[in-house]
Amino acid sequence: GENVEQHPSTLSVQEGDSAVIKCTYSDSASNYFPWYKQELGKGPQLIIDIRSNVGEKKDQRIAVTLNKTAKHFSLHITETQPEDSAVYFCAAPSISGNTPLVFGKGTRLSVIA
Amino acid sequence: GAGVSQSPRYKVAKRGQDVALRCDPISGHVSLFWYQQALGQGPEFLTYFQNEAQLDKSGLPSDRFFAERPEGSVSTLKIQRTQQEDSAVYLCASSLAATTNEKLFFGSGTQLSVL
Repeated sequence: GENVEQHPSTLSVQEGDSAVIKCTYSDSASNYFPWYKQELGKGPQLIIDIRSNVGEKKDQRIAVTLNKTAKHFSLHITETQPEDSAVYFCAAPSISGNTPLVFGKGTRLSVIA
Repeated sequence: GAGVSQSPRYKVAKRGQDVALRCDPISGHVSLFWYQQALGQGPEFLTYFQNEAQLDKSGLPSDRFFAERPEGSVSTLKIQRTQQEDSAVYLCASSLAATTNEKLFFGSGTQLSVL
């Protein structure tokens, strides 16, 4: 099955700086890679996703890049704000294509004002 | 409401008790998922419904776990004879399409504590 590894587990940045979180996956047939943000006491919320036929996707201050050859994808947050503080999870399909997601263990991001 | 609703928000059970956790998905969403999230970990897949059909229950940890969605809307996750290792947050998610991984909307979860 799919193995998703995420790092770092914790990340602290100054407000206004950039944050980068990286994930690796094991199944070369995986074709869909979402990122979720989870605030305390809430469920995960989808913030951005990318398909395997695209190398990069951007949505305002958030971007995701995908390297299929190396089997890793990264979340980039620019101009961080205190409200970006949360736990971020990457995920990938469990076997290939249309199968349930396997989540990483999460990265706790703290943005220091 | 507009989002996925789960109840109860918190549940405390004595070891050996049975519990039932409810999920109200977003109206019209075809797919419904249950995930288990241990403290400090990512969500782990339990089971998946497409309308009323349970298409994947490969993540259910034992036969003490049972899920149903009889009318293709509300779903219930039942845990029989609860054990301490069942303590976790149980998350429900739904999605509009009949896919198993895209654009999931999660509820806030039920935090289960087994004493």
